[in-house]
Amino acid sequence: QQPVQSPQAVILREGEDAVINCSSSKALYSVHWYRQKHGEAPIFLMILLKGGEQKGHDKISASFNEKKQQSSLYLTASQLSYSGTYFCGAQVSGGYQKVTFGTGTKLQVIP
Amino acid sequence: KAGVTQTPRYLIKTRGQQVTLSCSPISGHRSVSWYQQTPGQGLQFLFEYFSETQRNKGNFPGRFSGRQFSNSRSEMNVSTLELGDSALYLCASSLERAQETQYFGPGTRLLVL
Repeated sequence: QQPVQSPQAVILREGEDAVINCSSSKALYSVHWYRQKHGEAPIFLMILLKGGEQKGHDKISASFNEKKQQSSLYLTASQLSYSGTYFCGAQVSGGYQKVTFGTGTKLQVIP
Repeated sequence: KAGVTQTPRYLIKTRGQQVTLSCSPISGHRSVSWYQQTPGQGLQFLFEYFSETQRNKGNFPGRFSGRQFSNSRSEMNVSTLELGDSALYLCASSLERAQETQYFGPGTRLLVL
């Protein structure tokens, strides 16, 4: 079953912060975040593993709440380059289990 | 290193026809996954191949099939095309398994008329 992402879409002004949530109906083993710009292939942002710490690079970070079966992606001081659709992928168990992606959150940063 | 390549990039077919899409993974990557992307549905997992064997399968009808060759290149085939098969088909490769970082190709955009 697909994880549920919220919000579905968000518009930000440069410099504003945003949070994208990803919720699963099943216990999560790992969460994967990707960003896809219009007309381009999705690119990897980060993977969070069960029991792992909050991750991040530059002004984009993410957390993984095992109890809530949820992950959140934090975009701080957004830049125009952050615009795109963000997908979370959920893996419900380890090993070679498939990664199931959500329907995406479309984020637009305007000047 | 060259990235993931997919051919063809665009394809127009009519209902009832069949189509074969090709994916060449990054050199050294042995896991290849296929996804269907449509507006509002996100990335729908089709299947994953590793060492010429299908390791995972999504919830798609049997009309969707794939295979992987000894050089890790992969193909997917859709038989008896339906209008609803119109989508962007993305291929992603990773070193050993899809649970690692996946590198996506540019996709093949299929239009079924």
